[in-house]
Amino acid sequence: EAGVAQSPRYKIIEKRQSVAFWCNPISGHATLYWYQQILGQGPKLLIQFQNNGVVDDSQLPKDRFSAERLKGVDSTLKIQPAKLEDSAVYLCASSPSPSGNTIYFGEGSWLTVV
Amino acid sequence: GDSVTQMEGPVTLSEEAFLTINCTYTATGYPSLFWYVQYPGEGLQLLLKATKADDKGSNKGFEATYRKETTSFHLEKGSVQVSDSAVYFCALTPNTGNQFYFGTGTSLTVIP
Repeated sequence: EAGVAQSPRYKIIEKRQSVAFWCNPISGHATLYWYQQILGQGPKLLIQFQNNGVVDDSQLPKDRFSAERLKGVDSTLKIQPAKLEDSAVYLCASSPSPSGNTIYFGEGSWLTVV
Repeated sequence: GDSVTQMEGPVTLSEEAFLTINCTYTATGYPSLFWYVQYPGEGLQLLLKATKADDKGSNKGFEATYRKETTSFHLEKGSVQVSDSAVYFCALTPNTGNQFYFGTGTSLTVIP
């Protein structure tokens, strides 16, 4: 079974530029998550989708971050304009719909803002 | 709200030493509990999980027991190897909904 796919793996941009990350979850998984992981910290949830609807985006900095999952499958996370403090790993994860299930992570997209 | 607290690192052990990484949680009801591991340069991988009180999750020599009375899910391994060097995250998901809450991670280094 294919895992969660993310791209690009690494990105370096200058502050105030924009960047987009793509995620393709495990086939059949209705729930998709984007997490931000700053070096030395645990993952912080940015946004959670159930199919193509948003379940939780309370910690998403909406002035600069946006995410969509138009057809309920793959998803894109965008940052515009980027700040230095956005340097982090952006982790996509997916899960089957029922509660209490395991979530499966991709390898992450590493962003450095200079 | 729901949360997880795990012991701070870094932890450095010699090969074949005994490992314990403490994790306690705050949640209403009966959450499911998880340990994830992150090797350098990689994403998080599920290590083990337990879905109800007194369950023991185990994998690759690691174990953790869901203790409702002490709200704990401590990770243990009897004999660590150099290849176990990684960051370990405790996590929970409530019994309703599928939000996940992660601890801050504990870095483990095993030296030969």
